[in-house]
Amino acid sequence: QVQLQQWGAGLLKPSETLSLTCAVYGGSFSDYYWSWIRQPPGKGLEWIGEINHSGSTNYNPSLKSRVMISVDTSKNQFSLKLSSVTAADTAVYYCAREVVFILAAGTREDYFDYWGQGTLVTVSS
Amino acid sequence: SYELTQPPSVSVSPGQTASITCSGDKLGDKYACWYQQKPGQSPVLVIYQDSKRPSGIPERFSGSNSGNTATLTVSGTQAVDEADYYCQAWDTSTVVFGGGTKLTVL
Repeated sequence: QVQLQQWGAGLLKPSETLSLTCAVYGGSFSDYYWSWIRQPPGKGLEWIGEINHSGSTNYNPSLKSRVMISVDTSKNQFSLKLSSVTAADTAVYYCAREVVFILAAGTREDYFDYWGQGTLVTVSS
Repeated sequence: SYELTQPPSVSVSPGQTASITCSGDKLGDKYACWYQQKPGQSPVLVIYQDSKRPSGIPERFSGSNSGNTATLTVSGTQAVDEADYYCQAWDTSTVVFGGGTKLTVL
């Protein structure tokens, strides 16, 4: 049974750096990508970025300048840092396991089959 | 950047069929998947690879994808199916979600 357990600070002041970590229990860590996704209160899902076990990353272009995702394969954990936060970054943040199939012609299929419990991060002065 | 468009809301009577659409440029050339999210809970994958159901997802959930539109169909809708539904696809190194559709079972 695969479980993702996440933690991190829930209250930040503007300009601080958001930091969250997700631990993966069960299943293979190296066979998947690992993503962070957020959801502002009452709004939809927004993909933040992904990392694989080798440390290769992709980020949402709208957040790329402020985001860093890292991986610790010795602990089966991956982490998110988002710098210079503002009230607009207030959201529930989820970690998720991403199944990725590389297809022909530079395309791929992916989907998220396991999610963490979510962490509400509030940015307020 | 690539966009996926969903209707904000869909209503259905119990026992009837609900269809939720997701539109994007040449979406049929990509794979689409769908998530169900109930209030206060993490999303749950209900359809992947356009039309496949993960283990544990009821058979009343089905999907299709052609042209510019992917569709999630819920047959024999039950009250327990009332939730938000999100489509998702991948385009040019980016994961994209639709804006979400609230399914109301009246």
